[in-house]
Amino acid sequence: EAQVTQNPRYLITVTGKKLTVTCSQNMNHEYMSWYRQDPGLGLRQIYYSMNVEVTDKGDVPEGYKVSRKEKRNFPLILESPSPNQTSLYFCASKVGSSYNSPLHFGNGTRLTVT
Amino acid sequence: KNEVEQSPQNLTAQEGEFITINCSYSVGISALHWLQQHPGGGIVSLFMLSSGKKKHGRLIATINIQEKHSSLHITASHPRDSAVYICAVRSGDMRFGAGTRLTVKP
Repeated sequence: EAQVTQNPRYLITVTGKKLTVTCSQNMNHEYMSWYRQDPGLGLRQIYYSMNVEVTDKGDVPEGYKVSRKEKRNFPLILESPSPNQTSLYFCASKVGSSYNSPLHFGNGTRLTVT
Repeated sequence: KNEVEQSPQNLTAQEGEFITINCSYSVGISALHWLQQHPGGGIVSLFMLSSGKKKHGRLIATINIQEKHSSLHITASHPRDSAVYICAVRSGDMRFGAGTRLTVKP
C-alpha cells in the first residue's frame, strides 16, 4: 500500500532533550516536506526536500533540522526542543517533477514539550 | 493578512444539506488543493485544480483564476463528511488556509 509513515504518533518530552520524528514513503517520491499545525494558524511548512541531499527552509525552520540521505526517508530533528514547539506535525511527499501533483500526508505526530 | 483565507471558519449543517466552503487567495498560483482532515488527524487530498471545475462523487470543486477564488461544494451532506477542510495554494511553496470545521448532524 502506498503510504507515508510517521513515527511516533504521540510524543511527550522535556525541554532540551533531543528528539527525532521519522518519516518514510514507499512511493519513490522526490519531494518531501514537514509541516506543523497549530490552532488558528493552519499548516505551516518547516522544511522541504526536492530530492536526495537537497533540503530547503520553509516558513518556520527555526529550531528544526532535517536530512535527506535516502529518497524514502526525511527525518525531522529537534536538537533542543522548547515548549513553543508543542504542535501537531505532518510529513508529506509527492512526485517532484510536477508542480501540480497531489501531496500525500502521513498520519501526524502530536508532540508535547514540557 | 493571510495569503489564503477560508470562510466560514466553522459550519454546522443538517444531514442532506448542500454545503459550500470558500477560499480566497492573494498570490499568483500554479494550482489549488482542497484537503480533508479527519477527526483523527489524518489529511487526505481531495482535489487539485488549476482551472474550471472538478467533481468526485458528492464533492465539487471550482476555481475562478481571475477572481482568485475557489469553492468546495458538498451535495447531500452526511455525518461522515464531518471534518476540517483545508484550502492550499501552490505559489512557489504551499500556502495553507486555516481550515473550515464542518459538522454534519444526523
